Amino acid sequence: SQQGEEDPQALSIQEGENATMNCSYKTSINNLQWYRQNSGRGLVHLILIRSNEREKHSGRLRVTLDTSKKSSSLLITASRAADTASYFCAHSGGYQKVTFGTGTKLQVIP
Amino acid sequence: DAGVIQSPRHEVTEMGQEVTLRCKPISGHNSLFWYRQTMMRGLELLIYFNNNVPIDDSGMPEDRFSAKMPNASFSTLKIQPSEPRDSAVYFCASTHEGGDEKLFFGSGTQLSVL
Repeated sequence: SQQGEEDPQALSIQEGENATMNCSYKTSINNLQWYRQNSGRGLVHLILIRSNEREKHSGRLRVTLDTSKKSSSLLITASRAADTASYFCAHSGGYQKVTFGTGTKLQVIP
Repeated sequence: DAGVIQSPRHEVTEMGQEVTLRCKPISGHNSLFWYRQTMMRGLELLIYFNNNVPIDDSGMPEDRFSAKMPNASFSTLKIQPSEPRDSAVYFCASTHEGGDEKLFFGSGTQLSVL
């Protein structure tokens, strides 16, 4: 399977704490993306990092990419209850074939 | 923009029946993807189209599954005959060339096969 793996599978933190999720993949990539899914909804794109980038920021989100280890991490700083959702990494190596990881379920406790 | 539109939102059917799921991509997007999401297998890519042409259907589980994209604004995913193990949420997503493969997802179709 080309599907990536994410850990942890589930994460529960207090509001205000930081949340870190990790993603590993198996193939060479053009870019790596992170998506968010609220319960019962479709996925929403959060941030994209290209294969020649090592770190990217967007608001409270920080993404790192280590292509030598085929891994990425997503950091959400100062978490809020509204950040409660599942987070997925997705990678593309071939022509527009976007493959998703297994996801991390984040619960932020108010 | 209305976003990616999927219908129906929910579908309950009996084993053996034909099921047709529909998707309208975002206007101007030329790539369309069908994904299936289950607890056991996560989010699986079934098939994707570029400029209405199927590019990769290696994720389609069986011959019972078929997908078409007759024009740039409409796609269908058909299951015939349906089986209980097909129960899942089916998502359609679209993107455009030059869009860094950033996908825009529909709200999904929750399919239950009894």
